[in-house]
Formats: sequence, C-alpha cells, structure tokens
Amino acid sequence: QKEVEQDPGPLSVPEGAIVSLNCTYSNSAFQYFMWYRQYSRKGPELLMYTYSSGNKEDGRFTAQVDKSSKYISLFIRDSQPSDSATYLCAMREGGSQGNLIFGKGTKLSVKP
Amino acid sequence: NAGVMQNPRHLVRRRGQEARLRCSPMKGHSHVYWYRQLPEEGLKFMVYLQKENIIDESGMPKERFSAEFPKEGPSILRIQQVVRGDSAAYFCASSPQVTSNTEAFFGQGTRLTVV
Repeated sequence: QKEVEQDPGPLSVPEGAIVSLNCTYSNSAFQYFMWYRQYSRKGPELLMYTYSSGNKEDGRFTAQVDKSSKYISLFIRDSQPSDSATYLCAMREGGSQGNLIFGKGTKLSVKP
Repeated sequence: NAGVMQNPRHLVRRRGQEARLRCSPMKGHSHVYWYRQLPEEGLKFMVYLQKENIIDESGMPKERFSAEFPKEGPSILRIQQVVRGDSAAYFCASSPQVTSNTEAFFGQGTRLTVV
C-alpha cells in the first residue's frame, strides 16, 4: 500500500459546480497536510495548509483533515475554468523538515 | 521578492553526459529541497539541504546523483552519465528558518530530456 493514495482522475465538472478532491494515507505520524495546485508545465503552488485534524477555509477553498480516518479533502466552491489544473495532496510528519510525501495528483477540468 | 528560481527551464542531454540543475531559493530562505516528477507520477522527495550541509538525502539514487548548496551561490543538483530514465521534471523548493509550520515554495522546475 502506498503511503498516500489519490485518484488521478481526470475529473470534469461544469463551471459553478462544487468540486471534492481527496486523499487517503497510511502513516498515522503525518501531522501537516497541504494541497498544491499545479498548472501544466508549471511548479506546484501551495493552496492550503492544515495542521492536524479540522477544517480550514480560504475563499472558495475548504480543506478538511480527518486523522481518525486518515482522510483529507479539498472542496472548491463555485468552480471556475481557471481552476482547471492538477491538484496534489502532500503531507509530512511533525518535526520533519521538508520531506513531503505527495499523492499522484488529480487532474481537474472545469468546463465553461 | 522573487520566487524560487530554477535554471535552465529545459535541458537536453545525450546519454552519458552530465546534467547540472540550479536552484536559487527565495530571499531569506536557507533550506532547499529537490524533488523529481516522472510522467504520470507524483513528486518524489530527493534531498534536503541547508547551506553547506546535506540534511536528508534519503530519496537520492545511490549512484550518479549528487547535490550541494554552497555558502555562496545556488544549490546544484548534478546527474552524471545521464540515462533515458532520468528524463523528468526536477523541482526545487525552499523554506525559511525552520519551524514546525514551515511552508515550502516551489520553483517552476527544470525539464530534463535525455536523448
């Protein structure tokens, strides 16, 4: 079993839809959870950052972490064509320094 | 404030040549991380460096790959005697003085093609 599992998609939704992206993981020592957005042939851009369990909201984006289920989610409200990208979940153990474990990424396409 | 700068953006090498990838961290950042992204794969951690020190190289292949972050100048990822399987996007990330809630910011990557 891989440390981090993420459905690669592709996921296609109409503009304005609510998008739900998720990852599961096996390492209970992970404490820091991130979502990155990566446009084609670009570097990953940090979207959301969460420590331990709970929810975090930033504009149209909401990140949820459920450590008991080893499950994290990213919700995008009122999706826009500009949201079309690959979304990568990433996580690391507390105290480790920069060794992020990434999912393979989910490719999202938002159709106008 | 410039972001993480990587160069070159694209690099073509013949099998057996050496590839040198450069990364200048964000201003004020003293920690550099290198990742590799193979086609249809997620990013894989390779190495973590601070100035003049390798902190964690658990993701580096044992042969042909090396990394440095000198006191002056950019961090360098060096791949000797490249093979076709080294073709990938190589990303550098940097972070400031480490606290537990450090965020890593990524550069645009260097796309290496071995022909």
